[in-house]
Amino acid sequence: GEDVEQSLFLSVREGDSSVINCTYTDSSSTYLYWYKQEPGAGLQLLTYIFSNMDMKQDQRLTVLLNKKDKHLSLRIADTQTGDSAIYFCAESIWNTGFQKLVFGTGTRLLVSP
Amino acid sequence: DAGVIQSPRHEVTEMGQEVTLRCKPISGHDYLFWYRQTMMRGLELLIYFNNNVPIDDSGMPEDRFSAKMPNASFSTLKIQPSEPRDSAVYFCASSARRGNQPQHFGDGTRLSIL
Repeated sequence: GEDVEQSLFLSVREGDSSVINCTYTDSSSTYLYWYKQEPGAGLQLLTYIFSNMDMKQDQRLTVLLNKKDKHLSLRIADTQTGDSAIYFCAESIWNTGFQKLVFGTGTRLLVSP
Repeated sequence: DAGVIQSPRHEVTEMGQEVTLRCKPISGHDYLFWYRQTMMRGLELLIYFNNNVPIDDSGMPEDRFSAKMPNASFSTLKIQPSEPRDSAVYFCASSARRGNQPQHFGDGTRLSIL
């Protein structure tokens, strides 16, 4: 079935690194995404990784993909208070020729000064 | 570029009333998605369209919910009659057709049914 799992909470101190983990189920997923949701706003695309890659770096963000274990992680270096938000991972699913995203439950990141 | 535009941003109405939520996708995008977000159930996909045609409405909770996309630049999600348990944030998202293009979300409509 379609199921994307994430831990619910993560608390870090400003300046530390944050690592948010995600497991997904569909081995045929070609793209995996990370979205950020700030209070009162919609989901904002942060980054994504193609399934034939195992790592992607984008400024302070590093995405690691372990296809064998169906495990995805997002590392935020030098975490700032402005990074406090809910982070969603999502896998793309092709269903009868059409694409949709299956989202995880979201991880609430709290960054303390 | 204008993003996905949703209206209204907030809606408060009484139980039993009809509610209509509106969405304008990003120009040129072929997919449009409606989601509902609650604390209890997280983010749920309600329905999605491709080229204005509904593809999968299996997430629509019940017959009180309906969605339309009369043209490429406009979609509505209607609840009639509304109930307190429909209170949630409703998001619209759109994406381009080619490949696994990411979805772009609107800022949502916060709906409260009293």
